[in-house]
Amino acid sequence: NAGVTQTPKFQVLKTGQSMTLQCAQDMNHEYMSWYRQDPGMGLRLIHYSVGAGITDQGEVPNGYNVSRSTTEDFPLRLLSAAPSQTSVYFCASSRRRTGIQGGANVLTFGAGSRLTVL
Amino acid sequence: KQEVTQIPAALSVPEGENLVLNCSFTDSAIYNLQWFRQDPGKGLTSLLLIQSSQREQTSGRLNASLDKSSGRSTLYIAASQPGDSATYLCAVKDSSYKLIFGSGTRLLVRP
Repeated sequence: NAGVTQTPKFQVLKTGQSMTLQCAQDMNHEYMSWYRQDPGMGLRLIHYSVGAGITDQGEVPNGYNVSRSTTEDFPLRLLSAAPSQTSVYFCASSRRRTGIQGGANVLTFGAGSRLTVL
Repeated sequence: KQEVTQIPAALSVPEGENLVLNCSFTDSAIYNLQWFRQDPGKGLTSLLLIQSSQREQTSGRLNASLDKSSGRSTLYIAASQPGDSATYLCAVKDSSYKLIFGSGTRLLVRP
């Protein structure tokens, strides 16, 4: 059981380049989300999805696009990278409905993708 | 807008000490609250989840409490060990299903 898989783990881009961070989960979770983590600022929500074909914006969506064509995958696209997007990105998923402790509603995170934009 | 604050930002304690980490949030209309652990260079691991109707949850040496009316949660770690050294983050899930994180408390347990 792989859980949440993110690729790549590390990436260096030049300003203006585009790229896609991949996220896949094998737990049949309806809810998937992308966060960025910056020093001293905790995690901030970029985009999220409550099911295939449904996406919505989080706190810091500008400069990022997402799509959810399948339950398993939730890629994050940077169309024109900027130095301000240098960060560690985390994908997370959970079942959508309320669950008991340790059960369905617990958020499962990927290991993260470290992105540097020069 | 929901804001989550964690105090202190960093904490250093000797091994064996009992300790309390604090989390406060500005809007009491939350769905649930989670405590996570993050080791350096790694993702987050969920430790405890408290539903809005619950007052506390326990897992081993960890106990988390929730007081919605005052906008506070505490994570109590009993008999701390060097292996507990990590960053601890709390997060609240608001009514729109968004998870809002605090900036974390970096814990060092000294042998």
